[in-house]
Amino acid sequence: GAVVSQHPSWVICKSGTSVKIECRSLDFQATTMFWYRQFPKQSLMLMATSNEGSKATYEQGVEKDKFLINHASLTLSTLTVTSAHPEDSSFYICSASGTQGVGRTDTQYFGPGTRLTVL
Amino acid sequence: DQQVKQNSPSLSVQEGRISILNCDYTNSMFDYFLWYKKYPAEGPTFLISISSIKDKNEDGRFTVFLNKSAKHLSLHIVPSQPGDSAVYFCAASGGTNSGGSNYKLTFGKGTLLTVNP
Repeated sequence: GAVVSQHPSWVICKSGTSVKIECRSLDFQATTMFWYRQFPKQSLMLMATSNEGSKATYEQGVEKDKFLINHASLTLSTLTVTSAHPEDSSFYICSASGTQGVGRTDTQYFGPGTRLTVL
Repeated sequence: DQQVKQNSPSLSVQEGRISILNCDYTNSMFDYFLWYKKYPAEGPTFLISISSIKDKNEDGRFTVFLNKSAKHLSLHIVPSQPGDSAVYFCAASGGTNSGGSNYKLTFGKGTLLTVNP
């Protein structure tokens, strides 16, 4: 139980294009989803927290206009990297915490991650 | 200021022996602690958690100990298996927000565990 999927698992794009990453909770309702990025040999860095039906809360230093987050339903959140540049290349991971089903409210369940490479 | 610290970047253990991974925290508001296991190029997998009202939680081969006065927790894996080789992250969350479902996690930098056959 508590399965979170991400799509795509990897993407390569040209500089200046936008990339959308989807995060889905498959067997529970996730009122809160989190987006992280991880640089090589570093810890997970929280980018933003999104609650279903409301605007995301961004961490300090994260550009909200560059990293657009939408949490339209209890099972889906999307992260769009707009006008991507090579420095945006990273491993992006989402997580979800739930209110019903197998997802506990106090535990985050992570997706498998998306490797973004911007040329 | 790093609120969750994993001071050992790596640990090597022989198969069948005990693995002990340590984590220290500085924020006294943290009241829920989790351990995640992560393989390269994959998302973290939840292993075990502990609330601050407990000092021990056990799940199969995994046991987490919490020492609140020392602001220290540890993960014990017994017996260690080669498949346990991965990066282990300690994470903490603190307090409750309205609605009770907005738990931001603060992660340590991880410890790479290698279990040798």
